[in-house]
Formats: sequence, structure tokens, C-alpha cells
Amino acid sequence: GAGVSQSPSNKVTEKGKDVELRCDPISGHTALYWYRQRLGQGLEFLIYFQGNSAPDKSGLPSDRFSAERTGESVSTLTIQRTQQEDSAVYLCASRNIVPGTGGYGYTFGSGTRLTVV
Amino acid sequence: AQRVTQPEKLLSVFKGAPVELKCNYSYSGSPELFWYVQYSRQRLQLLLRHISRESIKGFTADLNKGETSFHLKKPFAQEEDSAMYYCALSGQGGFKTIFGAGTRLFVKA
Repeated sequence: GAGVSQSPSNKVTEKGKDVELRCDPISGHTALYWYRQRLGQGLEFLIYFQGNSAPDKSGLPSDRFSAERTGESVSTLTIQRTQQEDSAVYLCASRNIVPGTGGYGYTFGSGTRLTVV
Repeated sequence: AQRVTQPEKLLSVFKGAPVELKCNYSYSGSPELFWYVQYSRQRLQLLLRHISRESIKGFTADLNKGETSFHLKKPFAQEEDSAMYYCALSGQGGFKTIFGAGTRLFVKA
């Protein structure tokens, strides 16, 4: 697609339930990233994919968090047994070459706002 | 360890005044530094990269390795510059980027 798409845009869930967040990166972008942004805080790295492998998953906060990616397309971030501290905006980004610079940058999705009640 | 520090959570200036958003980093190798911006109700987007040495929307940023800083500057702030600004760092290989906590810039008329 033309941009990075994330769904749902908003999710309210009860504590203890599982949630799945989806990211559709820009077509052809091999690198895909998940970040978490808690209210009033910066972006916290969770995991990145190169193709469908995850060379760095060091940012996943606990074993309740997992992510997978199918080929070089959709990625799903799953949070099991959600807790209130999981409430945040979850951002997905894919890595691209910045036109005119020869270097790279990230293109971000609009995020999924997760609220655990 | 990699770290990005933005000491100001909020910066408020008058239109036409100079603005400087501070960013300091910690990294043992040769980092790549970036500024990202998020305007109200828009997505986070790349503003500029230190390697490009470019000026975008009147903003510039110089990497100072001695002071480990990458401050963002603009000589004359405009109201439309009001946004959240994030400084970011990628290590060699560039496959993981860490972000500062962000600075909210508010430009008053």
C-alpha cells in the first residue's frame, strides 16, 4: 500500500483478555518495527523484523508479548492476559530509503491506541 | 548503552523568535541521528537526518560529536511549527532506532 496501515485504530479491552494488533507495512519494505508509546513518554522499542525473522526482540516487556510476520507483509503483535500497564499507543513503522538522500528513515503508521480497563 | 535525552518536555516561544530543541545522546560508536516530528492529529514523520546536512522547513541540526549533541534549530519560529519533536539515534547497521522522550514546541502568536 501507499503507507503503513494499522488496525484497529482504537481498542478497549478488559484486563486479562488477549489482543491482536495488526500492521500492514509499505509494500516492498523488508524491515518492520513495533514501538510502544505510553502517555507522556517517548517511543519504546519492542521488536523489529527483517523479512519474517526477528533479529532483535529485546524490547518485548514480558512473555505475554509476542509478534510474528508473514513473509515481507503483515505483522501481528499479540498481548496475552492484558494488564492495565499495557495501555499505550502501539506504533508500527517500516524502513525506507529517503528520496534524495540515499539514506533511510522510518514511515510510521497512525498507531493503535490500546486501553485496558 | 544507547540513550537519547531531550531535557525539555515543553518549549514555548513567540512567533519570529529563534528556537532550539536540545538533544544529547550516548553511543559508543558512530551513530546516525534523526529528528522526527508529529503535528497535531498526524502521524510521526521524519524531519531530517544528520547525514544529509539538509534544512527542512527552515530547521537545521548539527551533530556535535564532542558534546554528543544534535540540537534542532530554527532562526524564526512559525505558528505551524507547533508540534511534538523527537530526537532519534540509530547505531551502526541502522536496524534499531531509539527515541528520546520528545519535546512539545508551542509557538505563540
